[in-house]
Amino acid sequence: GDSVTQMEGPVTLSEEAFLTINCTYTATGYPSLFWYVQYPGEGLQLLLKATKADDKGSNKGFEATYRKETTSFHLEKGSVQVSDSAVYFCAVYSGNTPLVFGKGTRLSVIA
Amino acid sequence: EAQVTQNPRYLITVTGKKLTVTCSQNMNHEYMSWYRQDPGLGLRQIYYSMNVEVTDKGDVPEGYKVSRKEKRNFPLILESPSPNQTSLYFCASRGLGGRGNTIYFGEGSWLTVV
Repeated sequence: GDSVTQMEGPVTLSEEAFLTINCTYTATGYPSLFWYVQYPGEGLQLLLKATKADDKGSNKGFEATYRKETTSFHLEKGSVQVSDSAVYFCAVYSGNTPLVFGKGTRLSVIA
Repeated sequence: EAQVTQNPRYLITVTGKKLTVTCSQNMNHEYMSWYRQDPGLGLRQIYYSMNVEVTDKGDVPEGYKVSRKEKRNFPLILESPSPNQTSLYFCASRGLGGRGNTIYFGEGSWLTVV
């Protein structure tokens, strides 16, 4: 079945630093790729998604590009803020298969 | 407004006392699923359902039951809860067909079994 390998944290950055969280996947067919974010004490929110090769998903300054050749969907942000402190999950599904998550990466941004 | 609603949000119960966590969605989605979230393990799927009367085991089904008698509802049943089922539970739904359909999550249910 589908699987996701995600960079393990925790990651601690200073405000305005560059962020990369790596995510690679294995999937059959034509997977759709997602990043979800979970702020402290809250549920899961969709951050961005991409549905085909070379698509770039973006939202709130975060970006991720669907790279089929490297089966990757790395999350990036040019300048993080304290308010970005959260747990980030990479996820994938193909067709009608269940959504599979990575283990999550906890990001802490310090002022 | 598109919503997945779970209840209860918070529950403390005792070992062996049957409980049900309800999940309801208002988007006419075919697909619904339950996940549990544990530190260091991420989100793991318990059960999922592709449509009414169709359910399948996920990665960690032991100790849980589900039913899908109506399209909008997908309750999670713990017949005899044990402390290792203490966790944060999420219900999710999405439409089938097409690509990149957004998955909608409930707000989560914090369950403690003592």
